[in-house]
Amino acid sequence: NAGVTQTPKFRILKIGQSMTLQCAQDMNHNYMYWYRQDPGMGLKLIYYSVGAGITDKGEVPNGYNVSRSTTEDFPLRLELAAPSQTSVYFCASGSTANQPQHFGDGTRLSIL
Amino acid sequence: DAKTTQPPSMDCAEGRAANLPCNHSTISGNEYVYWYRQIHSQGPQYIIHGLKNNETNEMASLIITEDRKSSTLILPHATLRDTAVYYCIVRVARTNSGGSNYKLTFGKGTLLTVNP
Repeated sequence: NAGVTQTPKFRILKIGQSMTLQCAQDMNHNYMYWYRQDPGMGLKLIYYSVGAGITDKGEVPNGYNVSRSTTEDFPLRLELAAPSQTSVYFCASGSTANQPQHFGDGTRLSIL
Repeated sequence: DAKTTQPPSMDCAEGRAANLPCNHSTISGNEYVYWYRQIHSQGPQYIIHGLKNNETNEMASLIITEDRKSSTLILPHATLRDTAVYYCIVRVARTNSGGSNYKLTFGKGTLLTVNP
């Protein structure tokens, strides 16, 4: 009963490094999302996907890239890490746009 | 999406019902009310949603007033594990242009503390 799985759970990066946050879901959901949550704040949508091969920008896409080659996986790429990208990143999935979103447990990323 | 107003914090005794209010006075006819919660250090968890009728599932009940300007989430028998931040989100699934609204807008929510 995995649901949405995110890896890694924690990561520290140096400024300018790159990394990929992994997200996988086993519910055959078409819709997948990446959010970030800064301390004491709500979630902001970074990117989303409505199916394999289709992605689109959310509210705060700058500094990030995504791909969706399969229904199950939706990785988020940081190319040049900046301190402003220190945050908790959540991946979510849903069966349709109307249906509730199911979230992973997050990746806590610090950039120093 | 309509804005929501929730109290910043509430307390509840273990075993009692927790009633969490939400005001959404500018809600429009095609907007749903969703409730999520976030237990410390975990991802948000969906609880329940509704349009205008009251809804109940295994986790909670959602009571929406007849004018739809407010709602109440009811946890019938709160436990210590229900301590979390509860978010009331009003969201239209389809935009006026026919596209879909994919974004969940999380405000500050209500911190519910269940006490032994």
